[in-house]
Amino acid sequence: EDKVVQSPLSLVVHEGDTVTLNCSYEVTNFRSLLWYKQEKKAPTFLFMLTSSGIEKKSGRLSSILDKKELSSILNITATQTGDSAIYLCAVGKLTQGGSEKLVFGKGTKLTVNP
Amino acid sequence: GAGVSQSPSNKVTEKGKDVELRCDPISGHTALYWYRQSLGQGLEFLIYFQGNSAPDKSGLPSDRFSAERTGGSVSTLTIQRTQQEDSAVYLCASSGVGGLENEQFFGPGTRLTVL
Repeated sequence: EDKVVQSPLSLVVHEGDTVTLNCSYEVTNFRSLLWYKQEKKAPTFLFMLTSSGIEKKSGRLSSILDKKELSSILNITATQTGDSAIYLCAVGKLTQGGSEKLVFGKGTKLTVNP
Repeated sequence: GAGVSQSPSNKVTEKGKDVELRCDPISGHTALYWYRQSLGQGLEFLIYFQGNSAPDKSGLPSDRFSAERTGGSVSTLTIQRTQQEDSAVYLCASSGVGGLENEQFFGPGTRLTVL
């Protein structure tokens, strides 16, 4: 059975701290790994990773995929209160029917205190 | 332009009743996905529509769940004889074409509560 596991499940930090969120997966027919930020209800896309070892950056956020270890990390430096959200990791896979779908982890709830 | 919209935003129903949830994808997007997020759980894939192809229904949890996509645009997710465990946020997403290389844009979701 496909599995995406995120850790920690929740994290409380102070503004300015750096955080690292982890995602590990066991998914057949792996195509990609994606990170989303979820505030309120709708997730918003952060990164899509397909190649191992290549870091993607967007401002204070960065992410990297390790296909050998079947894992990815999401780093946030100099955290701000606006970073408080649930961060979702999802693995894209090819289904037997030939379509593609996402398998999501449970998320890491990040709280950044002023 | 307008994003993905869903209606209603909240729905409270009694156990055993049928409910219909609606999703309006971004205009021109050919791929549409339904997900469910139960309390404390990650997003669970339900069903995927791509153009005129037969939908991928592999994530539907039971035969009480069905979905349609009319005219390649609006989609409705129907849950018959609702149960309390159906209570969740139901999220719809669309992308320009199918395939994970294309970003999925999520709607605000419908929070379903089954009493």
